[in-house]
Amino acid sequence: GDSVTQMEGPVTLSEEAFLTINCTYTATGYPSLFWYVQYPGEGLQLLLKATKADDKGSNKGFEATYRKETTSFHLEKGSVQVSDSAVYFCALSESGGYQKVTFGIGTKLQVIP
Amino acid sequence: NAGVMQNPRHLVRRRGQEARLRCSPMKGHSHVYWYRQLPEEGLKFMVYLQKENIIDESGMPKERFSAEFPKEGPSILRIQQVVRGDSAAYFCASSPRAASSYNEQFFGPGTRLTVL
Repeated sequence: GDSVTQMEGPVTLSEEAFLTINCTYTATGYPSLFWYVQYPGEGLQLLLKATKADDKGSNKGFEATYRKETTSFHLEKGSVQVSDSAVYFCALSESGGYQKVTFGIGTKLQVIP
Repeated sequence: NAGVMQNPRHLVRRRGQEARLRCSPMKGHSHVYWYRQLPEEGLKFMVYLQKENIIDESGMPKERFSAEFPKEGPSILRIQQVVRGDSAAYFCASSPRAASSYNEQFFGPGTRLTVL
């Protein structure tokens, strides 16, 4: 079955540091890939997405590139802020059929001033 | 356009009681999904419903849990005879009628269930 593996946290960075959160996936078809963010006490918000190989999703300074050859979708940001402190979930959804989403375990990011 | 609504936001039950969690999808969305997030874990799919139909309940525990999405009104996730292990955040998501090549779900704020 489908699965998503992402690096376990927590990840602690200083403000303005470079962020990478690794994510790899296993899927039978050609999935769409997502990063969701969950701020403390809130629900999930879609951060960015990519629907086919070599697509780059970007939003709020975050980027991730759909790498089919390495089955990866690593999240990056050049300069993190304290307000980026949250839990980040990598996820996939198989194309076609219905839209069940498979989530990774989540990576907690803490940015300190 | 209002987002996905869930209520209550927080629910406290004693062991053996029933818990009812409600989800109103975004306007125009006819697909609803329920997920459970246990402490320190990721989200796990529970059930997928369309209006009046359960499409996939492969993630639902075999006993005590049920879900519905009636023609009128919100989707309901019902947990009978709750136990402490049911304590979790329950998230609902919705999506429009599947027609596009990619799939995006819009999540509600969640209901945090605490079983005493």
